[in-house]
Amino acid sequence: QVQLQESGPGLVKPSQTLSLTCSVSGASVSSGSYYWSWVRQPAGKGLEWIGRVYSSGTTNYNPSLESRVTISMDTSKNQFSLNLTSVTAADTAVYYCARDRVIRMDVWGQGTTVTVSS
Amino acid sequence: EIVLTQSPGTLSLSPGERATLSCRASQSISANSLVWYQQRLGQAPRLLIYAASTRATGIPDRFSGSGSGTEFTLTISRLEPEDVAVYYCQHYGNSMFTFGQGAKLEIK
Repeated sequence: QVQLQESGPGLVKPSQTLSLTCSVSGASVSSGSYYWSWVRQPAGKGLEWIGRVYSSGTTNYNPSLESRVTISMDTSKNQFSLNLTSVTAADTAVYYCARDRVIRMDVWGQGTTVTVSS
Repeated sequence: EIVLTQSPGTLSLSPGERATLSCRASQSISANSLVWYQQRLGQAPRLLIYAASTRATGIPDRFSGSGSGTEFTLTISRLEPEDVAVYYCQHYGNSMFTFGQGAKLEIK
């Protein structure tokens, strides 16, 4: 079955760049059948969609984060990645990657906690 | 931007009872764009319902969705202890996703 696994530093300093990778197994990120999304959730709060990437390289971003976000894909490694620049404490959250069937996200990673602190 | 408002914020019911969770959109949306997720404590969200009323693979038929326009409902017909979770509605439109604030379901 399809599985997604987030990885990356659990601690990032303010003003630096948060970088996470999602490794996909059981499906190919380059297949063209799906988008691949990132979602985050601050502790005790709701879900916020960050953005997504398609096999063609096309991306869509949440307008509230667009100026700081880049999502890309590495088909050779069957991974996709999130870069979020100029982070502040407000970016502290659990970050999830998910398979995105355009209107719904049907497979999710377990999530990885990122804390922004000096 | 579509804003989704869920109610009630918290619902506390007994096993076997029926739970009704509401999701109201700030303007009329296509039912095809309305999705429900379940998030148990410490877990990732789980897709429950898409296109307002279609159950995702493996979801028990105790879960059902309905609605149109601006009013959508998730119903759990016979509550079980494992249904304790936060439930989120989600809309897709203009190449982006927006979520409701979540509704917490407690079992007495």
